[in-house]
Amino acid sequence: DAGVIQSPRHEVTEMGQEVTLRCKPISGHDYLFWYRQTMMRGLELLIYFNNNVPIDDSGMPEDRFSAKMPNASFSTLKIQPSEPRDSAVYFCASFPGLAGVAPHEQYFGPGTRLTVT
Amino acid sequence: AQTVTQSQPEMSVQEAETVTLSCTYDTSESDYYLFWYKQPPSRQMILVIRQEAYKQQNATENRFSVNFQKAAKSFSLKISDSQLGDAAMYFCAYRGFSGSEKLVFGKGTKLTVNP
Repeated sequence: DAGVIQSPRHEVTEMGQEVTLRCKPISGHDYLFWYRQTMMRGLELLIYFNNNVPIDDSGMPEDRFSAKMPNASFSTLKIQPSEPRDSAVYFCASFPGLAGVAPHEQYFGPGTRLTVT
Repeated sequence: AQTVTQSQPEMSVQEAETVTLSCTYDTSESDYYLFWYKQPPSRQMILVIRQEAYKQQNATENRFSVNFQKAAKSFSLKISDSQLGDAAMYFCAYRGFSGSEKLVFGKGTKLTVNP
């Protein structure tokens, strides 16, 4: 398996522009997570999905952030409009679920480094 | 809500020596999982070791071992025979046992390995 795939790996955009980050989870994994990593706040969970349904979006910072999972193999995280304080590394991770084979590990993608100028 | 605390922002160790990274957590649950992740400069999050809270035996993976003290809510990582490739950020993480799949991370410890 290719692992969790994220694109783009790097994104530089100007304030006010729309940004879309993409994620392809590992096939067969029922859960998908979006995390944000910054120096100040560390790794934070933004939102996660189970079987394509959003379960917990309490970590989404503002209405400018939205996430979708239209099918089991694809998810997007969108920021509109983007601001400089959104600059961070965004990780996607997938998880087979508690019924899967132990040890129930989350598998992370390589991350997208977003810079908003 | 669960919290994870890593009190050492930075640590350093000489190559071939042993270093211990600290982690404490707060939870009211009795069953849960604990993890240590490594993040090298490549940014990739790599699972180093995991511990199930219901297991009394400390987990070990080659040069990596943990000291799990459930009553004290402590979960330290020991790296033996440190290698230059061990230099990275290390994150301690907590996950509930059932009905809660999300990971709660500590702020991380930056480990430097000196030749």
